[in-house]
Amino acid sequence: EAQVTQNPRYLITVTGKKLTVTCSQNMNHEYMSWYRQDPGLGLRQIYYSMNVEVTDKGDVPEGYKVSRKEKRNFPLILESPSPNQTSLYFCASSYSGVADTQYFGPGTRLTVL
Amino acid sequence: AQSVTQPDIHITVSEGASLELRCNYSYGATPYLFWYVQSPGQGLQLLLKYFSGDTLVQGIKGFEAEFKRSQSSFNLRKPSVHWSDAAEYFCAVGRSSASKIIFGSGTRLSIRP
Repeated sequence: EAQVTQNPRYLITVTGKKLTVTCSQNMNHEYMSWYRQDPGLGLRQIYYSMNVEVTDKGDVPEGYKVSRKEKRNFPLILESPSPNQTSLYFCASSYSGVADTQYFGPGTRLTVL
Repeated sequence: AQSVTQPDIHITVSEGASLELRCNYSYGATPYLFWYVQSPGQGLQLLLKYFSGDTLVQGIKGFEAEFKRSQSSFNLRKPSVHWSDAAEYFCAVGRSSASKIIFGSGTRLSIRP
């Protein structure tokens, strides 16, 4: 089944404790992206990747890191999480960019205490 | 700066009634325009998209949208809603060589039996 998977689905952590949210797709997509969803703000793009080893900032990259060492994986790293990073995070992928249909993962709900 | 505005936070319509969700955008060039739907607890799913050509685009689940350049609008419509259409709907605009995307804040649709 074609899908985007994220792990974990739920995470409660404390300020400053490094964490990684994994994202994997099995559709051989070149484009992958991370978003955060906050009430009243919709989705905001954090980082995106056009291909392996090619990443760039979205609109809200502060406090986040990403890497794209393999085509299928695009982990989101929070090296020192803060409470303002409490949010619902989505990973998405598409063949070559936002012009193609993006397929979204199920989301990761992160709470930073 | 590019932006997307969805002026209606929450709309309630009766089952079988028609629906129109509003979306206005600000963009310096011909935009890529999208409508996504998010069912409760789920990721987002693409309903339809517009890049060029016919300004009335058809999507999945019986939805359509009309691009009006003069009004900078891309409103979503459905002639007769079903209870399963209850969800949150996001309008989005693509920019920067199809690598970045901006989402509106969303409109939550409730269906009255």
